[in-house]
Amino acid sequence: EDQVTQSPEALRLQEGESSSLNCSYTVSGLRGLFWYRQDPGKGPEFLFTLYSAGEEKEKERLKATLTKKESFLHITAPKPEDSATYLCACNFNAGNMLTFGGGTRLMVKP
Amino acid sequence: DSGVTQTPKHLITATGQRVTLRCSPRSGDLSVYWYQQSLDQGLQFLIQYYNGEERAKGNILERFSAQQFPDLHSELNLSSLELGDSALYFCASSVAGGGEETQYFGPGTRLLVL
Repeated sequence: EDQVTQSPEALRLQEGESSSLNCSYTVSGLRGLFWYRQDPGKGPEFLFTLYSAGEEKEKERLKATLTKKESFLHITAPKPEDSATYLCACNFNAGNMLTFGGGTRLMVKP
Repeated sequence: DSGVTQTPKHLITATGQRVTLRCSPRSGDLSVYWYQQSLDQGLQFLIQYYNGEERAKGNILERFSAQQFPDLHSELNLSSLELGDSALYFCASSVAGGGEETQYFGPGTRLLVL
């Protein structure tokens, strides 16, 4: 069964303390891996799309990487405004739906 | 702002009732997706429409139905509502509905069934 697992479930960081979020998948025929940011009560906000192992994408303090089994979202020198839930989702061969992981709730303290 | 709009933002209703959620996709997008987000289940895919036709179905209950109109807006109808249907309902859109495309999400409709 295709699955997407994110770890840790929650992460507390001090402002400026860099870290990484993990998304592992057991998806047959990955067509795309997507990272979203979600603030409480809001819709997921698109961050990155990765298509093949070895691919990397960067945006401000965020960098996403992809291997054959997992993806990492690296956060460099985070700020309190980076506090949110980060969602990973995969699209696989069988259809067009996104399969989401449970998310990582990130809290950055000043 | 993703460009996807959803109405209403909040909906409070009683068990057994029927409600309609509305979504307008981003300009130029032909495909619309509906997702449900509850505390215990996370984000779950319900159904996809492409240019008016149903394209993919997830674990959507028989009490739920959707359609996409010629102007490409979509409606999700939820009937015989139960307490467990309380959740956030999101609409997303993409250009052509291919699996490799990015889906852009709307702000959601929060449904509370009392």
